[in-house]
Amino acid sequence: SQQGEEDPQALSIQEGENATMNCSYKTSINNLQWYRQNSGRGLVHLILIRSNEREKHSGRLRVTLDTSKKSSSLLITASRAADTASYFCATDPLRGQNFVFGPGTRLSVLP
Amino acid sequence: EAQVTQNPRYLITVTGKKLTVTCSQNMNHEYMSWYRQDPGLGLRQIYYSMNVEVTDKGDVPEGYKVSRKEKRNFPLILESPSPNQTSLYFCASSSTGREQFFGPGTRLTVL
Repeated sequence: SQQGEEDPQALSIQEGENATMNCSYKTSINNLQWYRQNSGRGLVHLILIRSNEREKHSGRLRVTLDTSKKSSSLLITASRAADTASYFCATDPLRGQNFVFGPGTRLSVLP
Repeated sequence: EAQVTQNPRYLITVTGKKLTVTCSQNMNHEYMSWYRQDPGLGLRQIYYSMNVEVTDKGDVPEGYKVSRKEKRNFPLILESPSPNQTSLYFCASSSTGREQFFGPGTRLTVL
């Protein structure tokens, strides 16, 4: 099965700075989704980008998708301490229904 | 309130003692799924279900069973739990091709 891989594994920034996380995957997809998880709790959906879209915005979030490189990035602008969490990308494959999550990026936003 | 519920939230058991973790959603979603989350490995899909009476294996199905007799419920059954099944388990549901809604998680310890 394909696998999403986030990069970096951990990221530490100051409040107000931007945070960028990357995700790579291996096979063709219907869409790619980003989720946030606060320590040990359920994942919360952030944004979904379809395979025919290149960029999408939602509040302080900006997601890009490059299907030729099989990669996506999540940008959080003007970060806040409350953004401290783990962020996961998940791919919804073109064939089959086996969602695949990457290992996640652990973001720490320091006040 | 739209939600996915799981029970129990915490469970400590012993090797070989059969257990069931329940999952229920009130959003009339066709798709339901079980994941386990282990440190450094992200979320791995155990089983998923496209609709009632339709289930399929994910990446790590060994040692688990599921059933989908009703649209809203998707229980996870461990017939003979072993210590390597100690993990954090999440149930999720979605409409096909859309974002997943996650339950709060079940922390299972098998002694």
